[in-house]
Amino acid sequence: AQSVTQLGSHVSVSEGALVLLRCNYSSSVPPYLFWYVQYPNQGLQLLLKYTTGATLVKGINGFEAEFKKSETSFHLTKPSAHMSDAAEYFCAVTPGGGKLIFGQGTELSVKP
Amino acid sequence: DTEVTQTPKHLVMGMTNKKSLKCEQHMGHRAMYWYKQKAKKPPELMFVYSYEKLSINESVPSRFSPECPNSSLLNLHLHALQPEDSALYLCASSQEETQYFGPGTRLLVL
Repeated sequence: AQSVTQLGSHVSVSEGALVLLRCNYSSSVPPYLFWYVQYPNQGLQLLLKYTTGATLVKGINGFEAEFKKSETSFHLTKPSAHMSDAAEYFCAVTPGGGKLIFGQGTELSVKP
Repeated sequence: DTEVTQTPKHLVMGMTNKKSLKCEQHMGHRAMYWYKQKAKKPPELMFVYSYEKLSINESVPSRFSPECPNSSLLNLHLHALQPEDSALYLCASSQEETQYFGPGTRLLVL
């Protein structure tokens, strides 16, 4: 069975600092991987996805993630945090057939 | 355009009420989903419709009744809910395994 582990339920960074949110997955087949962001009282917004091809994926709002098969990881990064990045971030993998397996989420706080 | 719309944004209902949540997408996606999300938790899948037919029901209680009138619309009918059903209800649609979510309906059951 596929699963997703997000290391750290809460991450705090200073404005302008590097953002690194960790995601590891387990999958017996090549996965499709996703990062979603959820701002307070809103739905989930797709940040970026990996399906096939280039392992470094660029998304919206300056975020990117790198698929590393050997490490079964798909960590999310942003070079310089902005106050508006404060939100809940979910990593997800799909085994196909309409199901998304979510990690438990990481709450990102940005300090001025 | 990757927009999924949901109405209403907020809903308060008593345990004896009947209400419905509505979801709409005009992206031509043939799969649509209902999720339930509690605070500080990831969304939990409830139902999946594929080509207007129910393909997955994650053992959801019968007080939740989904309906897919056409390829663009998805409803969730609510009846005799319990206070523990209070949550954010999210709709999504998908193309090629990528799901796009609506803004959600915040439901409070009194």
